[in-house]
Amino acid sequence: KAGVTQTPRYLIKTRGQQVTLSCSPISGHRSVSWYQQTPGQGLQFLFEYFSETQRNKGNFPGRFSGRQFSNSRSEMNVSTLELGDSALYLCASTERGPSYEQYFGPGTRLTVT
Amino acid sequence: DQQVKQNSPSLSVQEGRISILNCDYTNSMFDYFLWYKKYPAEGPTFLISISSIKDKNEDGRFTVFLNKSAKHLSLHIVPSQPGDSAVYFCAAVGQGGSEKLVFGKGTKLTVNP
Repeated sequence: KAGVTQTPRYLIKTRGQQVTLSCSPISGHRSVSWYQQTPGQGLQFLFEYFSETQRNKGNFPGRFSGRQFSNSRSEMNVSTLELGDSALYLCASTERGPSYEQYFGPGTRLTVT
Repeated sequence: DQQVKQNSPSLSVQEGRISILNCDYTNSMFDYFLWYKKYPAEGPTFLISISSIKDKNEDGRFTVFLNKSAKHLSLHIVPSQPGDSAVYFCAAVGQGGSEKLVFGKGTKLTVNP
């Protein structure tokens, strides 16, 4: 099976702009989670979607939002970008059930200038 | 409040020796723990996991030990190889079956030839 794919891989935006990141999970995986990785904070959970519903949300401001489509593909959006939003954004997918083993994509490196 | 802590940001060992990476957690509701390995410019890769009903899980050169009373787990790599050089993240899951992973900040392991 193909792995988790994320597009784009790299992105440069300026403060105040908005950005949309895309994630395609492994075929058959219905749960998609998003994480932000920064050097100082490690990986921090943003949100999780299952069957097009947000099932869990981390402690991020409302500028961060996401959605999931019927084919399990997911997008996350960040509005009114701030310099501190510069990070690696990782998407992970997992099969439904008791498995907690999430499979990560390569990430999207977002730089806000 | 950081619920999963990896207090050693880095560790350096000689090839062939044992690498021991440590992780502490504060939330007693966590019931499943995972270790991920991350190379630069790639997403984290699942390595090994352990349920809270066990105290040890082994997979080849990798063994994870769990001490629930101390809220501590460790990852042993024996023997260590240069290709093991990466950042290792400890993660915990629990709280009602949520797929949310709570990560530590990671330990950078360097295995010297």
